Amino acid sequence: NAGVTQTPKFQVLKTGQSMTLQCAQDMNHNSMYWYRQDPGMGLRLIYYSASEGTTDKGEVPNGYNVSRLNKREFSLRLESAAPSQTSVYFCASREASGSSYEQYFGPGTRLTVT
Amino acid sequence: GNSVTQMEGPVTLSEEAFLTINCTYTATGYPSLFWYVQYPGEGLQLLLKATKADDKGSNKGFEATYRKETTSFHLEKGSVQVSDSAVYFCALLRGGGNKLTFGTGTQLKVEL
Repeated sequence: NAGVTQTPKFQVLKTGQSMTLQCAQDMNHNSMYWYRQDPGMGLRLIYYSASEGTTDKGEVPNGYNVSRLNKREFSLRLESAAPSQTSVYFCASREASGSSYEQYFGPGTRLTVT
Repeated sequence: GNSVTQMEGPVTLSEEAFLTINCTYTATGYPSLFWYVQYPGEGLQLLLKATKADDKGSNKGFEATYRKETTSFHLEKGSVQVSDSAVYFCALLRGGGNKLTFGTGTQLKVEL
């Protein structure tokens, strides 16, 4: 099992450019999440998808869109990148049923917007 | 709303020293509590968890006890190693909820 994979690992964008961050999991999990990590602020939830076909906003959704393409894949799109979106982005997934609350994280995408 | 407060780092210890990283929380109801660890250049991994009051989570020599009366979940280890150097995040999940609330993280550096 690869777990949660993310592409790309690193990306540099100019202000106003667009890009899509890709995430896939092979654990047959129902729920998937996108977080951003900034110094001194911990992880903040951008969007999540409780199950295939549904998405919901988290704490900091402005400037982002998401697509739950199928059960495995959950992408995050920046339509017009801004320097404030410079961050490390993590995708996570978890099984939404039963008593397991563990979220499994990908290795992250480090994004710099100049 | 829900919140998690962790002690600020970095925390620098010598190998074999005792570790405590404080974590307190604010939440309604009965949240589940977690410690995640992030090694350099990697994503977060679950270290331990506790789902009800007085539960003790433990893993890899780390322990934390869910104290409802003090709304705390402090992380402890009796003897740290250089390989424990990482960032540690305390987090909570409201019962039945879907969203983790994270603290800001505490960086631990262990030196020989």
